[in-house]
Amino acid sequence: KQEVTQIPAALSVPEGENLVLNCSFTDSAIYNLQWFRQDPGKGLTSLLLIQSSQREQTSGRLNASLDKSSGRSTLYIAASQPGDSATYLCAAYPGGATNKLIFGTGTLLAVQP
Amino acid sequence: SQTIHQWPATLVQPVGSPLSLECTVEGTSNPNLYWYRQAAGRGLQLLFYSVGIGQISSEVPQNLSASRPQDRQFILSSKKLLLSDSGFYLCAWSRGGAGNTIYFGEGSWLTVV
Repeated sequence: KQEVTQIPAALSVPEGENLVLNCSFTDSAIYNLQWFRQDPGKGLTSLLLIQSSQREQTSGRLNASLDKSSGRSTLYIAASQPGDSATYLCAAYPGGATNKLIFGTGTLLAVQP
Repeated sequence: SQTIHQWPATLVQPVGSPLSLECTVEGTSNPNLYWYRQAAGRGLQLLFYSVGIGQISSEVPQNLSASRPQDRQFILSSKKLLLSDSGFYLCAWSRGGAGNTIYFGEGSWLTVV
């Protein structure tokens, strides 16, 4: 059974710092992995999707990497800003006819001005 | 462009009352549709998914049901709410097929009192 873990549960950094959020999954047989952002009381916003054949994806200040063999994905945020404060969730897609994602419980990020 | 609408945004209902949450998607056809629940500290749990009109799959046994009366409409219902049904409910969609990015609505806060 696929399990997805995100450590730490919470992280506080000063503005301008580069940071890395971690996501681990127990079964390396994943089809893809998605990173989402969730603002308090809001829905999820898709940030990046990495296919199993890819090593990384980039969007602006965000870079996500995937290492299937070690069961890890990281989300790198460059030059963090207070507006980046949110909960970041990763979700592994194990494959199949529908997109039944397995979510981690998220990392709550606070960027201090 | 595609958009997803979900309502109501917040709802306070007494135990034993019925529930109806509605979700519609615009700008695409034959999407996969999903209902998730997010409980505090437990991450996102997939409740129902649908790959077409009238095709509903349930992931967990519960007091809830889902229906898809039209291609881009997904409804979450209950005949009699329980206290344990309280939570944040999220509708989502993805393009048909597997491994596609999932897009979430803004969510509905349900408090059962």
